[in-house]
Amino acid sequence: GAGVSQSPSNKVTEKGKDVELRCDPISGHTALYWYRQSLGQGLEFLIYFQGNSAPDKSGLPSDRFSAERTGGSVSTLTIQRTQQEDSAVYLCASSPQTPRVGETQYFGPGTRLLVL
Amino acid sequence: GENVEQHPSTLSVQEGDSAVIKCTYSDSASNYFPWYKQELGKRPQLIIDIRSNVGEKKDQRIAVTLNKTAKHFSLHITETQPEDSAVYFCAASHPGGSYIPTFGRGTSLIVHP
Repeated sequence: GAGVSQSPSNKVTEKGKDVELRCDPISGHTALYWYRQSLGQGLEFLIYFQGNSAPDKSGLPSDRFSAERTGGSVSTLTIQRTQQEDSAVYLCASSPQTPRVGETQYFGPGTRLLVL
Repeated sequence: GENVEQHPSTLSVQEGDSAVIKCTYSDSASNYFPWYKQELGKRPQLIIDIRSNVGEKKDQRIAVTLNKTAKHFSLHITETQPEDSAVYFCAASHPGGSYIPTFGRGTSLIVHP
């Protein structure tokens, strides 16, 4: 079946502009995660959605970052007033997450954001 | 919260050699330990995982071992091939707390032909 998809695949923007990144999780997956990966670095957790519960926003680096998940499916990560340090690959992952021992995450291809 | 340490950060081996990557975790409640492989420019993909009720799991040339007492787990790759070259991430999570896994910082494995 279809995997996690993200759009756009690449985004170049000017400092100070707002950007929106989209994630389409695997159908039926209740959990959705956003991560940021700077060049050659690890996975920095940003935000987690699970079903209808309030999202865990503990990883968002500043109030310029926000995310929504509409109808328990598609998610949008918004970065306002972008800065050059926001340049990174933004990865989305989904998981079926049933109430048993941990679940595999399925990652999307990422959006490569470059802020000039 | 959970803290995952991963070593080494870089590992260079000759084709055919074995490679071992180690991770330690801090939260004794963690009970799910996946390993992800990320090839250059690609997305991370699960290659193997282990749950806390077992000590070892194998899948062809890869294996993972878990020592709950010492709170560490390791990835073993035997008969390495150039296509094994990638960044490998370990992670730990426990659904009783939060489903948010804590990732290690990654190991860049280079297999020389």
